[in-house]
Amino acid sequence: EVQLVESGGGLIQPGGSLRLSCAVSGVTVSNNYVIWVRQAPGKGLEWVSIIYSGGNTYYPDSVKGRFTISRDNSKNTVFLQMNSLRTEDTAVYHCARVKYTGTYTSGALDIWGQGTMVTVSS
Amino acid sequence: DIQMTQSPSTLSASVGDRVTITCRASQSIIDRLAWYQQKPGKAPKLLIYKASTLESGVPSRFSGSGSGTEFTLTISSLQPDDFATYYCQQWNNYWTFGQGTKVEIK
Repeated sequence: EVQLVESGGGLIQPGGSLRLSCAVSGVTVSNNYVIWVRQAPGKGLEWVSIIYSGGNTYYPDSVKGRFTISRDNSKNTVFLQMNSLRTEDTAVYHCARVKYTGTYTSGALDIWGQGTMVTVSS
Repeated sequence: DIQMTQSPSTLSASVGDRVTITCRASQSIIDRLAWYQQKPGKAPKLLIYKASTLESGVPSRFSGSGSGTEFTLTISSLQPDDFATYYCQQWNNYWTFGQGTKVEIK
């Protein structure tokens, strides 16, 4: 069974840094695309970063230059380093696996973690 | 950036009703669209991908259709477990989600 488990959230002051972890089990993280998606309280879903199996990484403009996604293959874990945090970064952060159909990688997200809450407040 | 617009934002329905949610993309996304169901305090659950392909284990009362810029999610006969918020998501150009449609009890 494929599982993703996030950790590392908490309360942080504006301008601070936090590193989130996404521990993956059941599949090899280096063979998969893993994405971080956040959800502000009472709001919708927003992708914040993705790492491809080949190691390429991408970010939306809202976090580019502040967030960095990486992975440790030996720990089968993906990380999200968040710097220069703002109050608008307050959200539940989920990691998710991008679905592989067996013949191609779609962009749908088939396995999600339960999320970790990040609160940016003074 | 591709914008995704869902309608309606809220839908009131009864058990047994046929329910349709629409998602419009600001430009063509071919069939690169997924639908998710989310319940309070839980992660989203994938229902449909590639616009119309049912994810394994998802009941057949859920179906998706459309291509280009207009897509629909249909629940043929609403069940008590289906009261939730539904999101569409495109992956033709990075990832964008619709704002969500809350299906509530009438």
